[in-house]
Amino acid sequence: SQTIHQWPATLVQPVGSPLSLECTVEGTSNPNLYWYRQAAGRGLQLLFYSVGIGQISSEVPQNLSASRPQDRQFILSSKKLLLSDSGFYLCAWASSGVKETQYFGPGTRLTVL
Amino acid sequence: KQEVTQIPAALSVPEGENLVLNCSFTDSAIYNLQWFRQDPGKGLTSLLLIQSSQREQTSGRLNASLDKSSGRSTLYIAASQPGDSATYLCAALFMEYGNKLVFGAGTILRVKS
Repeated sequence: SQTIHQWPATLVQPVGSPLSLECTVEGTSNPNLYWYRQAAGRGLQLLFYSVGIGQISSEVPQNLSASRPQDRQFILSSKKLLLSDSGFYLCAWASSGVKETQYFGPGTRLTVL
Repeated sequence: KQEVTQIPAALSVPEGENLVLNCSFTDSAIYNLQWFRQDPGKGLTSLLLIQSSQREQTSGRLNASLDKSSGRSTLYIAASQPGDSATYLCAALFMEYGNKLVFGAGTILRVKS
């Protein structure tokens, strides 16, 4: 069966510090991978998605970047965090080429102070 | 711009009541419509997925319907229980957006015992 992991679960970082959030998927190959952010009281905002290694699409201009160094690994990064980067970050995967559901990880709660 | 809207934003009902959550989308050209559940501080769990060619899907006490022509979907929960308390999100996979889900802001449901 497929599983998706995210870490860390919670993170408190000062403004201006770097960020690295990691997401890994097990039990499938060549998945589509997604990073979402959920701000308090708001819906999910798609940040990045990837259909293959090294292929990253950015949905909104922002202070963040994403990378996919391996087939089932997706990393969200920032060189200098802003207060507005605070939120709940969710990683998801879906089978490539199939219009089926997305499966979400447990999320990372990021607080920038 | 493709958008998904959910009403009501919040709903509080007594245990045992049947209830309906509403979702509307701006473009009928969709691959599918999905309903998710999110518990506080957790990731999303897929509840039901309705393909564009389908009218409804059922899972236990949950029934989701889809009317593409009117751009609407409903999630019906029968005999609600306190354990159903959560945020319910609908998301549409618009054909123009390919692999990217567009989410509504969610309905926060509280079932009182």
